[in-house]
Amino acid sequence: QKEVEQNSGPLSVPEGAIASLNCTYSDRGSQSFFWYRQYSGKSPELIMSIYSNGDKEDGRFTAQLNKASQYVSLLIRDSQPSDSATYLCAVNALGTDKLIFGTGTRLQVFP
Amino acid sequence: DAGVIQSPRHEVTEMGQEVTLRCKPISGHDYLFWYRQTMMRGLELLIYFNNNVPIDDSGMPEDRFSAKMPNASFSTLKIQPSEPRDSAVYFCASSPQQGWRQPQHFGDGTRLSIL
Repeated sequence: QKEVEQNSGPLSVPEGAIASLNCTYSDRGSQSFFWYRQYSGKSPELIMSIYSNGDKEDGRFTAQLNKASQYVSLLIRDSQPSDSATYLCAVNALGTDKLIFGTGTRLQVFP
Repeated sequence: DAGVIQSPRHEVTEMGQEVTLRCKPISGHDYLFWYRQTMMRGLELLIYFNNNVPIDDSGMPEDRFSAKMPNASFSTLKIQPSEPRDSAVYFCASSPQQGWRQPQHFGDGTRLSIL
């Protein structure tokens, strides 16, 4: 059983639409959750962190966390072609300082 | 502030050769992580250090891989002897204290090709 699961995609959305990316995790006690964006050939770049149940908004990005259901999601409003990238979900491994990464969801935003 | 600095950016070498990858973490960060990324396996943690001490090396694939952190500003990942299956992008990342709560900041990576 994978510890952090993401749909690999690609998820294709038109420009201006809302992109919804989802992630589930297995460690019920995990407390820190991160979304990274990775452009092709580049390194992962942190875009959001969330620690408490509910929503956290930062510009066009909203992270949502539901610990009871063990999922975390990322919404991108007003999607732009420049948002086309792979989005990695990362969850801290219970009792350690490690992050467990999902395999990523590839997002394609078309004009 | 300078980010995580990795060198070299690209390395092409022949099977059997020794490969050394280098990393300078962000100043003041207590944690340093080495990852490997491939299409098949995604981003895998190889080893991480806290205050220069290796904490967990369970992700190191085999004895051909070794990592050191002689001081707070420098770490190396060494592969000896290298094999074609080691071809991947290797990332170094660092984070401040309370690692589990802090995001990790990645370097630009080293793209390694073993012929």
